Amino acid sequence: KQEVTQIPAALSVPEGENLVLNCSFTDSAIYNLQWFRQDPGKGLTSLLLIQSSQREQTSGRLNASLDKSSGRSTLYIAASQPGDSATYLCATYSGSARQLTFGSGTQLTVLP
Amino acid sequence: NAGVTQTPKFRVLKTGQSMTLLCAQDMNHEYMYWYRQDPGMGLRLIHYSVGEGTTAKGEVPDGYNVSRLKKQNFLLGLESAAPSQTSVYFCASRSPRPSYEQYFGPGTRLTVT
Repeated sequence: KQEVTQIPAALSVPEGENLVLNCSFTDSAIYNLQWFRQDPGKGLTSLLLIQSSQREQTSGRLNASLDKSSGRSTLYIAASQPGDSATYLCATYSGSARQLTFGSGTQLTVLP
Repeated sequence: NAGVTQTPKFRVLKTGQSMTLLCAQDMNHEYMYWYRQDPGMGLRLIHYSVGEGTTAKGEVPDGYNVSRLKKQNFLLGLESAAPSQTSVYFCASRSPRPSYEQYFGPGTRLTVT
């Protein structure tokens, strides 16, 4: 059974810092890995999706990498802003299980 | 393009009452999912469907039933609500290969007293 872990559970940084959020998974037989953002009381917004054949994806100040062999993904946020404050979730999609398996998330606070 | 919508947004039930949550998607996706999100437990899959007329159990199916009579709709039913079903419920649909990307609705916040 796939297990997805996100460390740290919470992170607080000053505005302007570059930061990295970590995600690890136990089963490397995945189709893709998605990073989501969730604001308090809101739904999930998809940020980046990395196919299993890809090594990274970029969108604006966000860059996500995937290393299937080691079971790791990172989400890099450049020049963080207070508006980046949210919970970030990673999830892997397994074809055999036909479902996403989520990590418990990293709660990010960017201080002005 | 509305994407994935959920009805209602909020609901308060008394123990033993029943209700149905409606999920609709306009992306012509075959796969649809129901998740619940609880503090400290993350998102957990309740039921899913791989196409019209099909349903399957996920990780936490007990106390819930689902139906997929139309491709665009996926209904989640609670026959006899319990306080343990107080949660935020999310519906999602999945795009076909090669991306298999999942798109989520805004959620339904359910409180059972």
